[in-house]
Amino acid sequence: AQKVTQAQTENSVVEKEDVTLDCVYETRDTTYYLFWYKQPPSGELVFLIRRNSFDEQNEISGRYSWNFQKSTSSFNFTITASQVVDSAVYFCALWGAQKLVFGQGTRLTINP
Amino acid sequence: ETGVTQTPRHLVMGMTNKKSLKCEQHLGHNAMYWYKQSAKKPLELMFVYNFKEQTENNSVPSRFSPECPNSSHLFLHLHTLQPEDSALYLCASSPVSQDTDTQYFGPGTRLTVL
Repeated sequence: AQKVTQAQTENSVVEKEDVTLDCVYETRDTTYYLFWYKQPPSGELVFLIRRNSFDEQNEISGRYSWNFQKSTSSFNFTITASQVVDSAVYFCALWGAQKLVFGQGTRLTINP
Repeated sequence: ETGVTQTPRHLVMGMTNKKSLKCEQHLGHNAMYWYKQSAKKPLELMFVYNFKEQTENNSVPSRFSPECPNSSHLFLHLHTLQPEDSALYLCASSPVSQDTDTQYFGPGTRLTVL
């Protein structure tokens, strides 16, 4: 069965600190895709990144970076120099069994 | 309008009412989805349409009835709902329904059933 676990339900840091959100997944597929989405208070899920299982290179996009470790089935997300506008719920997701399976989400609060 | 839009954004209904949620995508996609997001639960996939054909019904109660008249529009018809159906209902679209395609979401409809 496909499963995504985001053990941190909530996380809170002070502005300008770095913060890492954890994501661990389970799948029997050899080819799969992982995603991160951001859900601000407005409700819309905003796509951040898609990574396929064959590409283990870490990715950086501005203040965002992702660390994909196939050996530990993890796909962690780091925000560097966090800002108040980064406050949102962040979801990790795995495409498996012909559908997108989401984790529970981590509510991130950036305090000024 | 661009992206995925949903109307209404908020809806309050009684258990005996009939209402419909509307989703429209302006991305030229061929797959559309309904998700339910309840408090403290992961997003739950409800329905998937590919090229206007329903390809997934994730054991959703019959009081929820989807309709996809064309690839750009998706409706969710609601009748005799229960208070536990109160949730954020999110619509999404993707080029087709497969693993290589990213799903893009609308802002959701916040539904309250009294």
